[in-house]
Amino acid sequence: DIQMTQSPSSLSASVGDRVTITCRASQHISNFLAWFQQKPGKAPKSLIYEASSLHSGVPSKFSGSGSGRNFTLTISSLQPEDFAIYYCQQYNSYPRTFGPGTKVDIK
Amino acid sequence: QVQLVQSGAEVKNPGSSVKVSCQAYGGTSRNFGVAWVRQAPGQGLEWMGRILPILDMANYAQNFQGRLTITADKATGTAYMELSGLRSEDTALYYCARESRLYGYIDYWGQGTLVTVSS
Repeated sequence: DIQMTQSPSSLSASVGDRVTITCRASQHISNFLAWFQQKPGKAPKSLIYEASSLHSGVPSKFSGSGSGRNFTLTISSLQPEDFAIYYCQQYNSYPRTFGPGTKVDIK
Repeated sequence: QVQLVQSGAEVKNPGSSVKVSCQAYGGTSRNFGVAWVRQAPGQGLEWMGRILPILDMANYAQNFQGRLTITADKATGTAYMELSGLRSEDTALYYCARESRLYGYIDYWGQGTLVTVSS
């Protein structure tokens, strides 16, 4: 199985900050990488697929990059509604696997 | 607007089985699969398996082999996740999610179904 790691596991940031989360795969996964946002008590929300493509309705302050094994999710200007846990997931092969998540909270 | 609507919360005894449904509204079901993902209390997301209804083909995570069955009713656009041999560690929120048949990414999620395993 492909193992996914994320760093940092948590971070504290202020409104307006630029935030970057890193995701690494244990094997090459091309660009078959997705990012999800989950707020407390809610279902995950799909943000990005194919490493850098935004789902419909996702604001452009979110961006993704990377290919192969190393990927990043960037939030250009953090807003109160962005405080959440972010997960990456590889869908290059089965079983699909998620990263452990990065919690973004208020400094 | 695509919506995935899951069945309600369940409380089950250890050793029993649970079957959760996920009905899709909107979209063209032939182009999509349905994945099941679970989340234990305070934990991360765990991919369990997925079904491609048009081919009636399922893939399962090794952790659930032998205990998990994912099925789909093409006529109603409903997918089902059945987990047997329940133990306390199976207490979790269970989510269904729509997965692109061609590309494999998840776009929409159900609201989640809480399954509690307790004697």
